[in-house]
Amino acid sequence: EDKVVQSPLSLVVHEGDTVTLNCSYEVTNFRSLLWYKQEKKAPTFLFMLTSSGIEKKSGRLSSILDKKELFSILNITATQTGDSAVYLCAVESGNTPLVFGKGTRLSVIA
Amino acid sequence: DSGVTQTPKHLITATGQRVTLRCSPRSGDLSVYWYQQSLDQGLQFLIQYYNGEERAKGNILERFSAQQFPDLHSELNLSSLELGDSALYFCASSTRQGASEAFFGQGTRLTVV
Repeated sequence: EDKVVQSPLSLVVHEGDTVTLNCSYEVTNFRSLLWYKQEKKAPTFLFMLTSSGIEKKSGRLSSILDKKELFSILNITATQTGDSAVYLCAVESGNTPLVFGKGTRLSVIA
Repeated sequence: DSGVTQTPKHLITATGQRVTLRCSPRSGDLSVYWYQQSLDQGLQFLIQYYNGEERAKGNILERFSAQQFPDLHSELNLSSLELGDSALYFCASSTRQGASEAFFGQGTRLTVV
């Protein structure tokens, strides 16, 4: 059965800190790994990664995939209170369109 | 705004009842996915339709069914509702059969009392 595990489950940091969120996976026929940010309702797309070792970057957020070790990390630098959200990792495989992890709840306090 | 529209936003109903959730995908998207999000389970894939045909099935209960119509909107039907069916139900759409870069609607919050 396809599985995606995120850690930590929750995290509290101060504004300006740098955080690293982890996502490991076990799926058959891996196609891509995606990161989403979920604030109040709908998950919003952040990154899609398909190739190992290539960093995707958007402002203060960046992500990288290691297909050999089957994990990905999401980094957020200089965190702001607006970064507070649940960050979801999902993997697209040959079996299931998107298998989601349970998410990491990030709280950024001023 | 992702362009995916779900109605209704909230729904409160009694156990044993049947409800229908509706989803309009982004213009041009052929794939529609339904997900259930509950507090303890996270986002669980239910079912996918592509251009009117069922493409993939997840852990969808037999009491639940879905369809995608010729105009590409989709409906998720939940019947014989139980308290445990209370959850957020999301619809997502994408242009291709694969779910990469799927865009999510705002969800329907279902409360079964």
